[in-house]
Amino acid sequence: KQEVTQIPAALSVPEGENLVLNCSFTDSAIYNLQWFRQDPGKGLTSLLLIQSSQREQTSGRLNASLDKSSGRSTLYIAASQPGDSATYLCAVYWLETSGSRLTFGEGTQLTVNP
Amino acid sequence: DVKVTQSSRYLVKRTGEKVFLECVQDMDHENMFWYRQDPGLGLRLIYFSYDVKMKEKGDIPEGYSVSREKKERFSLILESASTNQTSMYLCASSFRRPLRAEAFFGQGTRLTVV
Repeated sequence: KQEVTQIPAALSVPEGENLVLNCSFTDSAIYNLQWFRQDPGKGLTSLLLIQSSQREQTSGRLNASLDKSSGRSTLYIAASQPGDSATYLCAVYWLETSGSRLTFGEGTQLTVNP
Repeated sequence: DVKVTQSSRYLVKRTGEKVFLECVQDMDHENMFWYRQDPGLGLRLIYFSYDVKMKEKGDIPEGYSVSREKKERFSLILESASTNQTSMYLCASSFRRPLRAEAFFGQGTRLTVV
């Protein structure tokens, strides 16, 4: 069974700082890894999708990397802003006998202080 | 833009009631998922479906059932609501092919059972 872990559980940084969020998974046989953002009381917004054959993806100030062999992904946020405050979740897409599954980590709660 | 729409943002139901949560997507996605999200427990998969009339149990299916009569619609049914089913419910959809399997979420339904 795939397990996904995110470290740290919470992070508080001053505005302008560059930061890294970590995600690890137990089984390297994944198809994709996806990073999401969740604001309080809301649904999940997709940030970046990294396919298994890719090493990284970039969108604006966000950069996500994937190292399947070590079971790790990182989300790098450059020049953080108060509007980046949210919970960030990673999820891995993997194949089980009953079909493909999407398994989530518990998230990192980010606070960017003005 | 991909749209995954959940029928209600907030619901309050009484113990023992039969509850229907509806989810509709407009991207012709084969896969659809129902998760519940609770503090400290993260997102847990209840059921998923990879085709019309097909369903698979997730990690916590007890007390729930699902229906997928049309490709765009996936319903979660609480047969007899209980207070421990008070939670945030999230629906998601994606293509089935792994390389296209980016997941998109609805806005969530906050269910309170009293």
